Amino acid sequence: AQSVTQLDSQVPVFEEAPVELRCNYSSSVSVYLFWYVQYPNQGLQLLLKYLSGSTLVKGINGFEAEFNKSQTSFHLRKPSVHISDTAEYFCAVNTDKLIFGTGTRLQVFP
Amino acid sequence: GAVVSQHPSRVICKSGTSVKIECRSLDFQATTMFWYRQFPKKSLMLMATSNEGSKATYEQGVEKDKFLINHASLTLSTLTVTSAHPEDSSFYICSAIRAGRAYNEQFFGPGTRLTVL
Repeated sequence: AQSVTQLDSQVPVFEEAPVELRCNYSSSVSVYLFWYVQYPNQGLQLLLKYLSGSTLVKGINGFEAEFNKSQTSFHLRKPSVHISDTAEYFCAVNTDKLIFGTGTRLQVFP
Repeated sequence: GAVVSQHPSRVICKSGTSVKIECRSLDFQATTMFWYRQFPKKSLMLMATSNEGSKATYEQGVEKDKFLINHASLTLSTLTVTSAHPEDSSFYICSAIRAGRAYNEQFFGPGTRLTVL
């Protein structure tokens, strides 16, 4: 069975600082990996995805993530965050279903 | 492209009534749609997979008689919460798979906030 672990439930950070949101997964088969962002009372917006190929994936809003097969990780990074990046971030793995992590609340302070 | 809409965006109803939520793919055909439920400050839990023209597949623990799903066309799936109770209050999100893609990327609707009084 597949599973996704987001160890950090909350990540507070000051504006313009770098941030990393951690995601680890477990799967016995090849997977597709995703990061989604959810703003309050809204649905999910795709930030980026890894399907195959280059392990460094660039997404929208300046985010990027690196697929590390040996460490079964897909951490999300941004070199300089904005206040507007405050939101809930979900990592997900997809084989036949989309399995979500528990989410990380990114709080950016001025 | 790949826009998914939900209607209504929020609904308040009395206990014991039924509520229907619509999920539409606006600019593509969706052979498969999914319904998720999200509790406050929690992740999304898959409730069921809805395939056009066939019965929905429910996840373990989801009452199919309470959460009726109908996928009548390639652009519309509906979720009806029957005899709603306060514990059914939640944020319901649908998603749709765009037919003909190499992989099954899901496009999400904006969600429906259900409050049962």
